[in-house]
Amino acid sequence: GAVVSQHPSWVICKSGTSVKIECRSLDFQATTMFWYRQFPKQSLMLMATSNEGSKATYEQGVEKDKFLINHASLTLSTLTVTSAHPEDSSFYICSARYRSEQFFGPGTRLTVL
Amino acid sequence: GQQLNQSPQSMFIQEGEDVSMNCTSSSIFNTWLWYKQDPGEGPVLLIALYKAGELTSNGRLTAQFGITRKDSFLNISASIPSDVGIYFCAGLFNNAGNMLTFGGGTRLMVKP
Repeated sequence: GAVVSQHPSWVICKSGTSVKIECRSLDFQATTMFWYRQFPKQSLMLMATSNEGSKATYEQGVEKDKFLINHASLTLSTLTVTSAHPEDSSFYICSARYRSEQFFGPGTRLTVL
Repeated sequence: GQQLNQSPQSMFIQEGEDVSMNCTSSSIFNTWLWYKQDPGEGPVLLIALYKAGELTSNGRLTAQFGITRKDSFLNISASIPSDVGIYFCAGLFNNAGNMLTFGGGTRLMVKP
């Protein structure tokens, strides 16, 4: 099947530091990956669409300089939360399209102290 | 992005009961997907629907793609405790940048 992995699964950092989250498609190539953010008891909110070899497309209200996305290969996209603050604490989930379906990674729980 | 209207928001049922949840939209979709999310995990794809009117089963789960392409339902028969979780519907219209539109989720709780 189509498997998407994320690393790390959880991270705790100090305010002001940067955190990088990796998203990998393990058994397929993904020209497009998606980054979502999910707050407790809420649905998934699309942050940006990551395109291999080109700039990411950000949703309205998402700061591109704060959430840096790099999609350097067909199996890896990274999201870097720069100068993280407590309000950035959330559950970040990536996904990748495979044929007509979309598969999600297991998520990364970010806690900013 | 825009959310689908998913209902109910939550359900608390007895083990063994059947469950039904649905999603409606003002826009048409080419694909409907149903996911289940356990706490602290990413959503897992349960069923994918590609054609209006299509009815698909996956074990105790059955989902249908509405004939108008603006709605879908998911049924779970004979619920068990491990069915607990949040169920999300998602619609995909291929021309919309290949982005999924998510429902708000249905939180299912099963009493043994």
